[in-house]
This record gives sequence, structure tokens and C-alpha cells, in this order.
Amino acid sequence: DAGVIQSPRHEVTEMGQEVTLRCKPISGHNSLFWYRQTMMRGLELLIYFNNNVPIDDSGMPEDRFSAKMPNASFSTLKIQPSEPRDSAVYFCASREENTEAFFGQGTRLTVV
Amino acid sequence: AQSVTQLDSQVSVFEEAPVELRCNYSSSVSVYLFWYVQYPNQGLQLLLKYLSGSTLVESINGFEAEFNKSQTSFHLRKPSVHISDTAEYFCAVSGGTSYGKLTFGQGTILTVHP
Repeated sequence: DAGVIQSPRHEVTEMGQEVTLRCKPISGHNSLFWYRQTMMRGLELLIYFNNNVPIDDSGMPEDRFSAKMPNASFSTLKIQPSEPRDSAVYFCASREENTEAFFGQGTRLTVV
Repeated sequence: AQSVTQLDSQVSVFEEAPVELRCNYSSSVSVYLFWYVQYPNQGLQLLLKYLSGSTLVESINGFEAEFNKSQTSFHLRKPSVHISDTAEYFCAVSGGTSYGKLTFGQGTILTVHP
């Protein structure tokens, strides 16, 4: 397996634009996590899914953020409208039940 | 609710010295514990894990961690570090349920000097 695949690797966008981050988890994994990493706040869990169902979205900062998992092999994290303070590295991770999580390489988002 | 506290935000040591990175967790249920390492501009990689069984777990590159239930700790140790161990290290906890939330500590930056 190629591991967790995230796209794009880098995204630069203007404030107010919509941004969509994509994630393909490892085949057979039933949990998927979205994290955000910044210098100030460290690694924050935004939302996680189990069997494609959102279980805990308490980490989603505001209504501008939304995440979907339409099937077991694809998830998106959308920010609309984007703001400069959303600039961060966004990681997707997946795992089988109660084992270690495997991380993608991340998407570095810059909102100018 | 579960949480993880990494007691040191930065640790600096000289090459070949021993190191300990401290991690404490709180959880209302039995847990699974993990240490991850992150090199610059990369994702997180699993270093070692405790799921069950022996409370002392080891990695292939010489790190070890011991699960201490009474002290709710999972400290990471290495008896002799290398320059290449310079990285950020994250401790993580997951509850022993089918819908396990995976929570990370704030990370410890380890710098190994020659």
C-alpha cells in the first residue's frame, strides 16, 4: 500500500477563498483523523471518523471548517472562507481499530 | 476525557548521552499508548507502541518506553543518542474502545549536539 495520501502538498490561497484538502486512507483502515499543526498550538485533532461516520468534531474551530467522508477511501476537509490564521500544516491519518495511526505527509496551507 | 502532557517542550543533550522524554496521560478507561517522531517537513512516524502485554516496549533504533499504570506515565528513553535522533517527539493516547479518539501531547523537541 502507498500509505496515506494527501493532496495537495502545498496550497497558497487568498483570504476569502475556498480551500479543499483531500485524503486517501490506507485500504482496510476504519478510522480516519484530521489534525492541524502550528507552532503556537501544536498538533490539534480537528475531527475523526469511524466507518465513515464522524464521531467527534469538537476540535473543528468554527463553522468555516467542514469535513466529509463519502466512502471508505476518501475524505475532504474544506475551509470556506479561508483566513490567514488558518495557515498551518494539515495532516490526515488512518488506522485499523485500536492500533497505531499512519500519517500522510501533510498539506502546508498558506492563506495570504 | 483523555489528555496527554509532555513535561518538557525542549531537551538538549550531547551525542552518546542518555535521554528521557517524559509523558503523562489521563484517561478514564484502559489505554493504548504511542510515541511518534517527526523530522523536519515530514509527517509523523510511529516509534513504538504499547497495546497490551509487557509494559516495556522497544523500537528498532534503541528507544524504549515503559507503561506505568500507577503513575499514568509512558516515558521514552534511550541510553545513548545520536545526532540523527534530533527531531520532535510526540506521545499519544487512545482509549481502549471501538471509537478510540487519538490524542497527542504538545511534543518535545530533542536536539542532540556533537
